[in-house]
Amino acid sequence: QKEVEQNSGPLSVPEGAIASLNCTYSDRGSQSFFWYRQYSGKSPELIMSIYSNGDKEDGRFTAQLNKASQYVSLLIRDSQPSDSATYLCAVNSASGTYKYIFGTGTRLKVLA
Amino acid sequence: GAVVSQHPSRVICKSGTSVKIECRSLDFQATTMFWYRQFPKKSLMLMATSNEGSKATYEQGVEKDKFLINHASLTLSTLTVTSAHPEDSSFYICSAGIGTDTQYFGPGTRLTVL
Repeated sequence: QKEVEQNSGPLSVPEGAIASLNCTYSDRGSQSFFWYRQYSGKSPELIMSIYSNGDKEDGRFTAQLNKASQYVSLLIRDSQPSDSATYLCAVNSASGTYKYIFGTGTRLKVLA
Repeated sequence: GAVVSQHPSRVICKSGTSVKIECRSLDFQATTMFWYRQFPKKSLMLMATSNEGSKATYEQGVEKDKFLINHASLTLSTLTVTSAHPEDSSFYICSAGIGTDTQYFGPGTRLTVL
């Protein structure tokens, strides 16, 4: 059974701090990794995708991938109250398809 | 990013009626679309994968005769909840695949069955 695991939280950080969200996956053959943000009552919105080991930065967001350890993380720098949401980690294990395995999400609270 | 729309955004219906939800990719062609369901404070649950011109692939435990999916064109997939009951009340979200493997989500449809 392929699995993606996330700490459900809530993870509380003060405004301006770095929020670190982690995700582990079970399938070593996984090729693509995604982070989505979901506000309460809304649908998920894509933040970042990452395919290779290492870091990928986009504005205040940095995704980190370590395939050997089977984890992917998302760092949010200078956290803002508007970043308060649930962050979903998604893994695409089947190359050539779009089908994801989603984690259960980590709820982030940024305290003003 | 790619834009996916859903219609309606919210629907309230009586028990026993059928409800159709449309999912459209507005600025790209999507050979694959997905339908998810999400209950309050729960994660997304994949219901089915919809490929243009072929039958949908349903996840285990999802009744294909109750949740009818049609993907008639590269920009439109529909989900029909037949003979809806209160337990079908949920947030239904579609997504469309673009590029090699990225999914973009529609805004969701909140279904309430009375």
